[in-house]
Amino acid sequence: EIVMTQSPATLSVSPGERATLSCRASQSVSSNLAWYQQKPGQAPRLLIYGASTRATGIPARFSGSGSGTEFTLTISSLQSEDFAVYYCQQYNNWPHTFGQGTKLEIK
Amino acid sequence: QLQLQESGPGLVKPSETLSLTCTVSGGSISSSSYYWGWIRQPPGKGLEWIGSIYYSGSTYYNPSLKSRVTISVDTSKNQFSLKLSSVTAADTAVYYCARVILTGYLPLNWFDPWGQGTLVTVSS
Repeated sequence: EIVMTQSPATLSVSPGERATLSCRASQSVSSNLAWYQQKPGQAPRLLIYGASTRATGIPARFSGSGSGTEFTLTISSLQSEDFAVYYCQQYNNWPHTFGQGTKLEIK
Repeated sequence: QLQLQESGPGLVKPSETLSLTCTVSGGSISSSSYYWGWIRQPPGKGLEWIGSIYYSGSTYYNPSLKSRVTISVDTSKNQFSLKLSSVTAADTAVYYCARVILTGYLPLNWFDPWGQGTLVTVSS
């Protein structure tokens, strides 16, 4: 199975600043990558699919990039509601696999 | 607006079978455009896909769980269900149901939306 590795495990950023989260696949997943946001006690929420397409209702400050094995989720100008855990998921091969998550915390 | 809601026992004894149901509202489970999936998350840990099912009953399972998992669908009730046999403490997790879009012939896609999740604890 494809192993997804996210870095860093924890990222401390101040409100208003930019956050850059990374996700690496153990083999190419083309652009078949999604990003999710999860807040405590809540289900994951889809942010990005196709590596760079924002899901319905997702603010423009969220952007995704990359292809193959290296992917990035960028959140420009962090808002208070953006502090959460973020997961990447590949859907290029069975089984679907997720990264272990990056916790974005307030600096 | 499509909504999914998990239901089932919150406590299961070791070696027994975990059974959960996901009820879909605001849309039909018989849509030809979607599969329906189960994902779990052990406390404080990451996400693991369990399996997905089509309204016709076609299924895909995670090989790591395949020998213990059965997913079924009841279109008359707009529900799909998960059974996980021979559970151990390692199966303690929040279990989510979610929708997966079907493109081409395979439901290899992202999950959206998700149910709120239900915690299942395996303990005697």
